[in-house]
Amino acid sequence: DTEVTQTPKHLVMGMTNKKSLKCEQHMGHRAMYWYKQKAKKPPELMFVYSYEKLSINESVPSRFSPECPNSSLLNLHLHALQPEDSALYLCASSRRMVAASTDTQYFGPGTRLTVL
Amino acid sequence: DAKTTQPPSMDCAEGRAANLPCNHSTISGNEYVYWYRQIHSQGPQYIIHGLKNNETNEMASLIITEDRKSSTLILPHATLRDTAVYYCIVRVASVGASGNYQLIWGAGTKLIIKP
Repeated sequence: DTEVTQTPKHLVMGMTNKKSLKCEQHMGHRAMYWYKQKAKKPPELMFVYSYEKLSINESVPSRFSPECPNSSLLNLHLHALQPEDSALYLCASSRRMVAASTDTQYFGPGTRLTVL
Repeated sequence: DAKTTQPPSMDCAEGRAANLPCNHSTISGNEYVYWYRQIHSQGPQYIIHGLKNNETNEMASLIITEDRKSSTLILPHATLRDTAVYYCIVRVASVGASGNYQLIWGAGTKLIIKP
């Protein structure tokens, strides 16, 4: 089973709203990732959690706040977003991030976010 | 910055082999080549990866040149469901994050399988 689930599938929010995206995996993976993907572009890495600790933050604005409450769950809290933040938000997980490991990432279906 | 270059689009007839090229001339010795595909509006799907040797699995084959500066993904018998954007990716060590790795994505090749 290589399933990563994401909810909601679609989200429309205003610039003053607070919302959260949720990601879940039950593969026992200890690394989880958030990516942002604009139309006709490849995914861009936002955050990486390794063993429930934030490992990489790719200079993402503070209006995006990640949280990893346990090894199976990853949240992305959204506040005061801008219209240019509209995109497909993808979650991925991998077994772990270890040197010399090929550590394949498995992606969820994504949340399509529209900011009005 | 992308470490891979791919043609923006390709066509292939259904039932034929689809050969997708990728150049990665600046790849380092310990950096893996990965391939993912993304069907419209879905999450990327892992296909295959390799370091030096050619690899094959139930989905595809990956041929890496001896100098590792380029590779080819081969879908042996393409079907209409293989229509997707195919990304050639290099896995690199993260700067300033010891033991961590990141995927550096190419721009992708839009593969269209025609009946």
